[in-house]
Amino acid sequence: NAGVMQNPRHLVRRRGQEARLRCSPMKGHSHVYWYRQLPEEGLKFMVYLQKENIIDESGMPKERFSAEFPKEGPSILRIQQVVRGDSAAYFCASSSSRQGTGELFFGEGSRLTVL
Amino acid sequence: EDKVVQSPLSLVVHEGDTVTLNCSYEVTNFRSLLWYKQEKKAPTFLFMLTSSGIEKKSGRLSSILDKKELFSILNITATQTGDSAIYLCAVEPSNTGKLIFGQGTTLQVKP
Repeated sequence: NAGVMQNPRHLVRRRGQEARLRCSPMKGHSHVYWYRQLPEEGLKFMVYLQKENIIDESGMPKERFSAEFPKEGPSILRIQQVVRGDSAAYFCASSSSRQGTGELFFGEGSRLTVL
Repeated sequence: EDKVVQSPLSLVVHEGDTVTLNCSYEVTNFRSLLWYKQEKKAPTFLFMLTSSGIEKKSGRLSSILDKKELFSILNITATQTGDSAIYLCAVEPSNTGKLIFGQGTTLQVKP
């Protein structure tokens, strides 16, 4: 049973380009969370999705950032017109239910570098 | 605003030492507190605490929660070099489905 799979593991973009980060949750998991980790900081919640629904996007910047979790396929975090401050590690986590968040499983992260 | 604060931010010890990591929080409608270990990849789950005064234990690691004073500690006894990692504390406010993380404690265990 594969864990949470994220790709790409490393992504380099120039300012103004778009970044797309993908997350395939663990098999049987329908709840996906995205977190961002800036250098020297802890993980910050961005968005919580279920299949075809955004449940909570209170941690996501209002502009340039969007997320989706379609009926088929991985969850995607999209960052348009990237800036240097977007450089961070983006972690995806999944769970089988909203209850018992202790069962949250994390992927290995996608490290975005903006030149 | 909900927040989680960990201390110390970094710690260097020698193998065999015992360490205590601290986590204090302020959160509306507390549901649970969680500890994760992060090496150079995915954070891995260690403990989830919901009740005060009940110690959770796994091998050389143990943790306890004080809901009155709003803090938790993570103890590691007889440390080994493999314990070197960032230890993350997180709090889950009730019915939100998200975690609020502290900034982490970086532990380095020297041989």
